[in-house]
Amino acid sequence: EDQVTQSPEALRLQEGESSSLNCSYTVSGLRGLFWYRQDPGKGPEFLFTLYSAGEEKEKERLKATLTKKESFLHITAPKPEDSATYLCAVARPETSGSRLTFGEGTQLTVNP
Amino acid sequence: DGGITQSPKYLFRKEGQNVTLSCEQNLNHDAMYWYRQDPGQGLRLIYYSQIVNDFQKGDIAEGYSVSREKKESFPLTVTSAQKNPTAFYLCASSDDREGEQYFGPGTRLTVT
Repeated sequence: EDQVTQSPEALRLQEGESSSLNCSYTVSGLRGLFWYRQDPGKGPEFLFTLYSAGEEKEKERLKATLTKKESFLHITAPKPEDSATYLCAVARPETSGSRLTFGEGTQLTVNP
Repeated sequence: DGGITQSPKYLFRKEGQNVTLSCEQNLNHDAMYWYRQDPGQGLRLIYYSQIVNDFQKGDIAEGYSVSREKKESFPLTVTSAQKNPTAFYLCASSDDREGEQYFGPGTRLTVT
């Protein structure tokens, strides 16, 4: 069964304190790994898609990386506005249709 | 502005009543999805549709029904058979079965 596990569940950082969020997955035939940001009471906002081990993507203070078993979301010098829940999801093999399996998220709080 | 709209933002119903949640997109996407999000949990797939007049059950379809009569619209009906309907409901769309999904703002349903 496909599984996506995110750690830690919650993370508190001081402004400027860099850190990483982890997304471990078990899925046969990964077709894509997605990162989203979700603010309270709102729908998730798409950040990145990674398709193969070794791939990296960057956007402002965020950088996502992918290995064969996990993905990291690195946050460099975070600001309070980076506070949100970060979700990762994996796309299942083609035979399972167009489905994403989501992790439970990491709730990030950045204090000024 | 292209995007996904969900209405209403908040919805209150009495137990035993069916309720329909609206989802409209003007992104010209073929695929649309409905997810449910409960506190502290990841998103769980209810139904998805890859093309007009066709849809498939997701992981938690019991007590829900959908229709896809137009490309732009994918309404979700929460029936009285759903045992625990109070949740945050999210609609998403994508332009192909493997691409990133874009989410609407969500509808918070409370059933008492």
